[in-house]
Amino acid sequence: AQSVTQLDSQVPVFEEAPVELRCNYSSSVSVYLFWYVQYPNQGLQLLLKYLSGSTLVKGINGFEAEFNKSQTSFHLRKPSVHISDTAEYFCAVTTFTGNQFYFGTGTSLTVIP
Amino acid sequence: EAQVTQNPRYLITVTGKKLTVTCSQNMNHEYMSWYRQDPGLGLRQIYYSMNVEVTDKGDVPEGYKVSRKEKRNFPLILESPSPNQTSLYFCASAPGGTSYNEQFFGPGTRLTVL
Repeated sequence: AQSVTQLDSQVPVFEEAPVELRCNYSSSVSVYLFWYVQYPNQGLQLLLKYLSGSTLVKGINGFEAEFNKSQTSFHLRKPSVHISDTAEYFCAVTTFTGNQFYFGTGTSLTVIP
Repeated sequence: EAQVTQNPRYLITVTGKKLTVTCSQNMNHEYMSWYRQDPGLGLRQIYYSMNVEVTDKGDVPEGYKVSRKEKRNFPLILESPSPNQTSLYFCASAPGGTSYNEQFFGPGTRLTVL
């Protein structure tokens, strides 16, 4: 089975500062990796995903993530955050069959003015 | 507008009273899925469907049923709800019969079981 660990449940950061949200996964087979964002009182939307190819993946709103197979990590980064980035961020994984889907427990990012 | 709709958005019920939460998508997606979101636990997959008449269990299927008789609809049925099913429920759909394409989420259904 697959699992996802998000190491930080809450991350406060000042506006315009950089941020990194950490994600590690465990799987005995090859996986696809995702970051989804949930704004307050809304559903989730896809930020970015890694399926294959370049290990550095760029997504919406200036976010990027790097797949590191040896460390089984998929950390999310943004060089300069805005107030509007305040949200819950979920790392997720699925296998090549693309059937079952596993989310991490989420990281609450709070951007401080 | 392309969307996933869920009804009802809010529901308070009592233990043992059967209920159905509907989910409908207008994007002709093959893949549909139900998740529950609980504080500190993130989202956990309940059931998923890769196409009409094809459903399978996710991580936490106990106490839930689903059916996929039409491509656009994927209702979640709680035949005898219990308080531990109090949660925020999300339906999602994705093209191509797999979850590794982008999933589009509904707005959520907040269920309270007394």
